[in-house]
Amino acid sequence: AQSVTQLDSQVPVFEEAPVELRCNYSSSVSVYLFWYVQYPNQGLQLLLKYLSGSTLVKGINGFEAEFNKSQTSFHLRKPSVHISDTAEYFCAVRANTGNQFYFGTGTSLTVIP
Amino acid sequence: NAGVTQTPKFRILKIGQSMTLQCTQDMNHNYMYWYRQDPGMGLKLIYYSVGAGITDKGEVPNGYNVSRSTTEDFPLRLELAAPSQTSVYFCASRPPGQGNQPQHFGDGTRLSIL
Repeated sequence: AQSVTQLDSQVPVFEEAPVELRCNYSSSVSVYLFWYVQYPNQGLQLLLKYLSGSTLVKGINGFEAEFNKSQTSFHLRKPSVHISDTAEYFCAVRANTGNQFYFGTGTSLTVIP
Repeated sequence: NAGVTQTPKFRILKIGQSMTLQCTQDMNHNYMYWYRQDPGMGLKLIYYSVGAGITDKGEVPNGYNVSRSTTEDFPLRLELAAPSQTSVYFCASRPPGQGNQPQHFGDGTRLSIL
């Protein structure tokens, strides 16, 4: 099975500052990696995904993530955050031969004006 | 395009009551999933289905049942509600074919057991 660790449960950051949300995964097989965002009282929405190829993946709303196989990490970054980025962010992993997704415990991003 | 629709959005149950959480998708997705989300715990998979007539247990199936009689619907049944089942429940679906497709989520059902 796979597992995901999100190292920070809460990340406060000032508006227009850069942010990095950390995600590490564990798996004995090749995986697909995903970042989802959840706004209050809503379901999860896909931000970006890594399938194969280029290790730098760009997503919606100016977010990007870098896959690092040697460090088994998939950290999410944004160079300049907005108030509207305040939300819960989840990293998820799925084996390329499996059906189940495994989610991290989430990181609550709060953007401070 | 409705996507994944969950009903009801909110519900309060008494201990021992039963109920069914409904999930419907109109995207012709083969794969469907039920998760529960508890504070600080992320999403835990309850059950999933790879197609009509096929269901499998996830990480936390105890106390729940599912059925998949059609491609569109994947209801989740609580037979004897317990306080530990107070949670937010999310249904998700995924397209068939390539295995690298992400999931599409509903807006959730917030369930309280008192």
